[in-house]
Amino acid sequence: EDKVVQSPLSLVVHEGDTVTLNCSYEVTNFRSLLWYKQEKKAPTFLFMLTSSGIEKKSGRLSSILDKKELFSILNITATQTGDSAIYLCAVGKAGGTSYGKLTFGQGTILTVHP
Amino acid sequence: DAGITQSPRHKVTETGTPVTLRCHQTENHRYMYWYRQDPGHGLRLIHYSYGVKDTDKGEVSDGYSVSRSKTEDFLLTLESATSSQTSVYFCAISESSRDSLGYTFGSGTRLTVV
Repeated sequence: EDKVVQSPLSLVVHEGDTVTLNCSYEVTNFRSLLWYKQEKKAPTFLFMLTSSGIEKKSGRLSSILDKKELFSILNITATQTGDSAIYLCAVGKAGGTSYGKLTFGQGTILTVHP
Repeated sequence: DAGITQSPRHKVTETGTPVTLRCHQTENHRYMYWYRQDPGHGLRLIHYSYGVKDTDKGEVSDGYSVSRSKTEDFLLTLESATSSQTSVYFCAISESSRDSLGYTFGSGTRLTVV
């Protein structure tokens, strides 16, 4: 059974702190790992990683994938209150009948206090 | 989100009644998905569609059925609603089975079964 596990499940920090969110996975026929940010409504896409060791960056957010150890991290530097959200990790599979289905982790609830 | 709408946005229904949720897209994407989101579980796949009249089950499909008679519409039906189906339901679309673009999510439907 495919499994995606995120840690921690919740995190409270103060503005300016740096946070690291973790995502480990066990899936057959791995294709890609995706990160989403969810505020009040729909999740919004942050990153997709397919290659090991290549960092993706967008402003204060960055992510890297380790396909050997089967995990990814999402870093947020100089956190702001607007970073408060649920961060979701998802894994996509290759080929067969996967049809682009994603398996999601439980999510990490990040709260940033002023 | 632009290009994908869910209706209704909120619904309260009684145990044992049938309920239909609608997902409508204007992107002409082939793949459509229904997920439910519950605390501690992240997003779990209910059903998905890979074309008109082509659907398949996800990991939590019991008690749900779907139909897709047109590219733009994907309906989720709870045949006889139960309290365990109280949840937030998200529809998502993707352009192809190659999840290179990730999903676009609708804004969600909050369903309460009393």
